[in-house]
Amino acid sequence: GENVEQHPSTLSVQEGDSAVIKCTYSDSASNYFPWYKQELGKGPQLIIDIRSNVGEKKDQRIAVTLNKTAKHFSLHITETQPEDSAVYFCAARSYGGSQGNLIFGKGTKLSVKP
Amino acid sequence: DSGVTQTPKHLITATGQRVTLRCSPRSGDLSVYWYQQSLDQGLQFLIQYYNGEERAKGNILERFSAQQFPDLHSELNLSSLELGDSALYFCASSDGLARNTDTQYFGPGTRLTVL
Repeated sequence: GENVEQHPSTLSVQEGDSAVIKCTYSDSASNYFPWYKQELGKGPQLIIDIRSNVGEKKDQRIAVTLNKTAKHFSLHITETQPEDSAVYFCAARSYGGSQGNLIFGKGTKLSVKP
Repeated sequence: DSGVTQTPKHLITATGQRVTLRCSPRSGDLSVYWYQQSLDQGLQFLIQYYNGEERAKGNILERFSAQQFPDLHSELNLSSLELGDSALYFCASSDGLARNTDTQYFGPGTRLTVL
């Protein structure tokens, strides 16, 4: 089945710097890759997603890139702000025996220092 | 606010007991997913329902079961609870129309503590 690896597990940046989180997946048939932000005590919130027919997608300060050949995708946050501090999860859609479900990475705890 | 609601927010119970978690999907969404989030295992997919029917199963224990009702709300039943079942349980919903690429929206979760 699908396996998603996420790095780093923790990331600390200064306000205004950029942050990059990377994920790799194993199932070459996966075609949907969302990113979620989870703040303390809340459920995961979708911040951006990308489908396999697209190489890059941007939404203001957030961008995601996808390299299907290498089977990895990355989240880029520019001009980070303290409110960006949260745990970020990448995910990939699995086609295995459980089609339709998302396989999540272990998460990256991002801390943005003022 | 994602539009997905879950009750209760917190649940404390004892080993061996049975609990029911409830989820109401976003208006118009036909698919409901259940996930378990624990510190050591991250977010794990449990089960998916689409318009009342089970569509996919993940790492769901036999002690756990779920159903989706005609009004599309869903319940996750956890029985013979063990200490290791303590976790956050999330429900997510999607419209279910784009079978492989539709977006899932998560509820606020239920924190289950088994003592």
